[in-house]
Amino acid sequence: AQSVAQPEDQVNVAEGNPLTVKCTYSVSGNPYLFWYVQYPNRGLQFLLKYITGDNLVKGSYGFEAEFNKSQTSFHLKKPSALVSDSALYFCAVRVPSRGSTLGRLYFGRGTQLTVWP
Amino acid sequence: KAGVTQTPRYLIKTRGQQVTLSCSPISGHRSVSWYQQTPGQGLQFLFEYFSETQRNKGNFPGRFSGRQFSNSRSEMNVSTLELGDSALYLCASSLEDRNTEAFFGQGTRLTVV
Repeated sequence: AQSVAQPEDQVNVAEGNPLTVKCTYSVSGNPYLFWYVQYPNRGLQFLLKYITGDNLVKGSYGFEAEFNKSQTSFHLKKPSALVSDSALYFCAVRVPSRGSTLGRLYFGRGTQLTVWP
Repeated sequence: KAGVTQTPRYLIKTRGQQVTLSCSPISGHRSVSWYQQTPGQGLQFLFEYFSETQRNKGNFPGRFSGRQFSNSRSEMNVSTLELGDSALYLCASSLEDRNTEAFFGQGTRLTVV
């Protein structure tokens, strides 16, 4: 069975400090990995993705993520957090399936990031 | 370019009623997926449509159904509503390429009373 785990429900960090939001996955085959952010009463907004190639991927708003195949992890990072980064973050993995053009997305439970001034 | 548009944004229905939610994908996107988001279960996959065909279905009862039209717009229907169907329903559209990200609409907040 495919699964995505975000081990921390909440992450609190001071503005200006580095932040990390953790994600591990368990899938068969090579995964396509994504990070999304959700602000209150809004849909999910794409941040970045890993498909293949360089293990460090850069995305929107200064976020980056590191893919580690041996640890099956895809942690989201930012060198200097902003108060406006406070939101709900979701890690997702796409697993191609027979008959499907894309394959469904499996999401983690989400991590609430709070950046305090 | 307009994003994914979901209508209505908010809906209140009574148990036993049925509801239809609409999703207009980004122009040129032919793949549409639906997800249910609840505090208890998180984000759960409902269905995926491509070129008017359902390609993938999640583990939901038959009360949940959907369809896609020739212009790629999609609707989902929930019949005989239950209190537990209260959720944020999210639609996502994508190009037909596994390498690409899905773009989400703002969702329809359904409350069943």
